[in-house]
Formats: sequence, C-alpha cells, structure tokens
Amino acid sequence: DAGVTQSPTHLIKTRGQQVTLRCSPKSGHDTVSWYQQALGQGPQFIFQYYEEEERQRGNFPDRFSGHQFPNYSSELNVNALLLGDSALYLCASSYRDRYNEQFFGPGTRLTVL
Amino acid sequence: AQTVTQSQPEMSVQEAETVTLSCTYDTSENNYYLFWYKQPPSRQMILVIRQEAYKQQNATENRFSVNFQKAAKSFSLKISDSQLGDTAMYFCAFIRYNNNDMRFGAGTRLTVKP
Repeated sequence: DAGVTQSPTHLIKTRGQQVTLRCSPKSGHDTVSWYQQALGQGPQFIFQYYEEEERQRGNFPDRFSGHQFPNYSSELNVNALLLGDSALYLCASSYRDRYNEQFFGPGTRLTVL
Repeated sequence: AQTVTQSQPEMSVQEAETVTLSCTYDTSENNYYLFWYKQPPSRQMILVIRQEAYKQQNATENRFSVNFQKAAKSFSLKISDSQLGDTAMYFCAFIRYNNNDMRFGAGTRLTVKP
C-alpha cells in the first residue's frame, strides 16, 4: 500500500520564477492538503483540494495556487517566487471528511535564491 | 484564532527513561482534535497519538501517552522507556471539528542519548 508521495525531493529556483510541486495521495484517499514548513517552524496550512476544487484556504497570497486531477493527485504552484518562499512543502492526504486522519508525505524542499 | 504553543524548543533524555513534552493551545471552540506528530530527519510527519476533545480519558499508544487538561488547554506527551529511534522533532497540532486547517506548534527537538 503506497503512502503519500511527493516530487521532486529538492528544488532550487531563483526569485521571480514559478514552481510546481506534485503530490500523489495514499491509496484510497481523495483529499489533498498542502502545508508550508519554514525552517524551525511548524507547518502552516496552505489549502485543501477535494473533488478537484479548492475546499478551504489558509492565509496565503494568490501566488499560491493548486490543482487536483481526476486521479486525486495534486499540484501546488507558486508564482513570482520570493526568498521567503524557501521552505519544506508537505502534502497530506485523507479520505473525504476525515480531516482528523491526515497522512503526510516526505515533502519537497524548495530553496529560492 | 487557534494557536498552539510549545515552550520547550529542545529536550534530551537518557535511553530507557521517561520524558514529557509540553503543549498549550488557545481556542474558543468546544469540539476539536489534538495531535502529536513526530518528524524524524527523513522529514515525514508521523502521527504519534490523537485525542478527541470530548473524550475525558487520556489517549495512549504503547509507550506514548498524553495528559489532556481541557480546562487548562494543555496537552502534554509522555514518552516512556525512551528509545534512540524516538530522536526527532515533535509537533503538537490542533484541528477544529469540520475544519481542514490544522494548526501546529513550533516543535520540540527531542534527543535520546545512549
């Protein structure tokens, strides 16, 4: 049973560029949440996708956008990268309304130079 | 707004001993879940234990147990018989009922010494 997978593992970009991160949920899960974890901090909720729509959003600017595909996998897009976007980006999956049972992936480490 | 505070940035414990990690939270909600997650160097968040706010009985999972004090808004994690593999960052987290925005504390780095 495959768990949550994310790609790539690491990524280096420069300011102003755009980046796309990918997440495949755990088998049987249909809901994907994205979190940003800055160095030395706990994760912060970016948004959640369910049924290919953004269901809930945290306090992040519109530069952060996402998409969910029919196979439940998801992408996180960040435009106009800032140095402060450097962080570990975590994806978590769950089944429908089981918001209290989220399984996390290993994350993508994004460095913005 | 819901906030989670972990006041111990770092802790250490000798192998086989017991350690307690502290967490307090602030909310006006009555129904919510609390969690402890472990994040080893591999970076993957692993659920250690979960507590539902309406349950008065403290949750336990093998060597891990919590002391949930709802009135005090306190949720500490006790690790018994500490093992070297327990070395990791530990995050306390909170989520309201029917909400998807999980709030995390800043974490406690636990080192288990041989």
